[in-house]
Formats: sequence, C-alpha cells, structure tokens
Amino acid sequence: AQSVSQHNHHVILSEAASLELGCNYSYGGTVNLFWYVQYPGQHLQLLLKYFSGDPLVKGIKGFEAEFIKSKFSFNLRKPSVQWSDTAEYFCAVGPYTGRRALTFGSGTRLQVQP
Amino acid sequence: DVKVTQSSRYLVKRTGEKVFLECVQDMDHENMFWYRQDPGLGLRLIYFSYDVKMKEKGDIPEGYSVSREKKERFSLILESASTNQTSMYLCASSFSGVGAGSTDTQYFGPGTRLTVL
Repeated sequence: AQSVSQHNHHVILSEAASLELGCNYSYGGTVNLFWYVQYPGQHLQLLLKYFSGDPLVKGIKGFEAEFIKSKFSFNLRKPSVQWSDTAEYFCAVGPYTGRRALTFGSGTRLQVQP
Repeated sequence: DVKVTQSSRYLVKRTGEKVFLECVQDMDHENMFWYRQDPGLGLRLIYFSYDVKMKEKGDIPEGYSVSREKKERFSLILESASTNQTSMYLCASSFSGVGAGSTDTQYFGPGTRLTVL
C-alpha cells in the first residue's frame, strides 16, 4: 500500500521568508504527484502536479516542487512567502496505473506572519 | 471551470440516523471520490467510483456505503450515524487519465461538515 509523509505539521514564517515543505512517499511503482492547498474557508485546489518529464515543476502563485525519484520525495518550495499563503498544504500521490485514487499526507499548516 | 457541488455545507444529525450526502459534478468525469478530512490525519478515502453503478472501497469504508446511479452524481450514505463519524466530508471528481497516467487531477467540492450528536 502506498503512503505519504509530511514531516512538518505546523510551520510559522514571517513574510518574505523562504518556504520548503517536505513530502516523502512510499510506493514501488511509477507515480503521479500533487500538491493541493486549502485556504481558510475554501475548498481544496490544485497547486501543482508532476506526471513525467522535468522533475522541477512550477505551479500557481510562485510555488514549485522538485521530484527526486531516488529519495521518493516531492518537496514544495517558494522563495518568498506572503501573508496570503497562509493555508494548509497537502501532498498526494497516485499510482501511474491501477487504482485511480490519491493517497494524501496528513497536511502542513502554514502560518505567515505579516 | 470544473464545478463540484455538495448538497450541504453543514449538517447536524443524531446517533443512529441514516444520513445522505450528495455530490454533483458538471464536467462529465468518470471518477468520483468521497474522503473524510480530520485534523492531523489529512484526507482519507472512503469510497470511489470509476463508472456508473461501479464502486470500490477505499481505506476506511466501514460504516459507509455509496450509490452512483448517474454519471454526474455520487452519494455517500451513513447507514446508522455514530459520533465517530463527525467530520468534514469532501467529494472529488476526475477524468480517467489517458497517456500521462491513470491518476488524474482531482477537483474538490466545498465539503460538508457533519456533526453527529
């Protein structure tokens, strides 16, 4: 069975600080990888995704993530966070074939202080 | 834009009641999903469906059932609600991916916060 670990449960940063949220997954085959974001009071929305090709993926609002296959990791980064990035971030993995459902990590709550 | 709607944002039920949560998507997606979201546990898959009248158990199906009679609609049923089913329930839908893999982007509804007293 696949699993996803997000090591940072709660992160507090000041505006303009750099962000890196860790995500590691456990799965033996080829995977598709996702980061979702949930702003306060809003529904989950896609931030970025990796299916194949360039392991450095760029998403919305200046976020990017790097897929490192050898480390089973898909860490999310942003060079300079803003107060509006305050949200909960979820990493998810889905197998390339087979069960068409995603497995989500437990989430990281990011609080950006002005 | 993909739109996934859920019948209620907030719901309060009593222990033992039968509860129906409805989800509708307007993008002709083949796949539909029900998750529950609990603090510190992320999203956990309850059931999913990849076609009309087809369903598969997710990771935590106990105490739940589902129905998909039409492609756009996926219902979650709590046969006899219990207090440990108090949670946020999220519905999602996706295409069956072609070419780039079978697990495509999921689009989520706003969620139903269910409280069982």
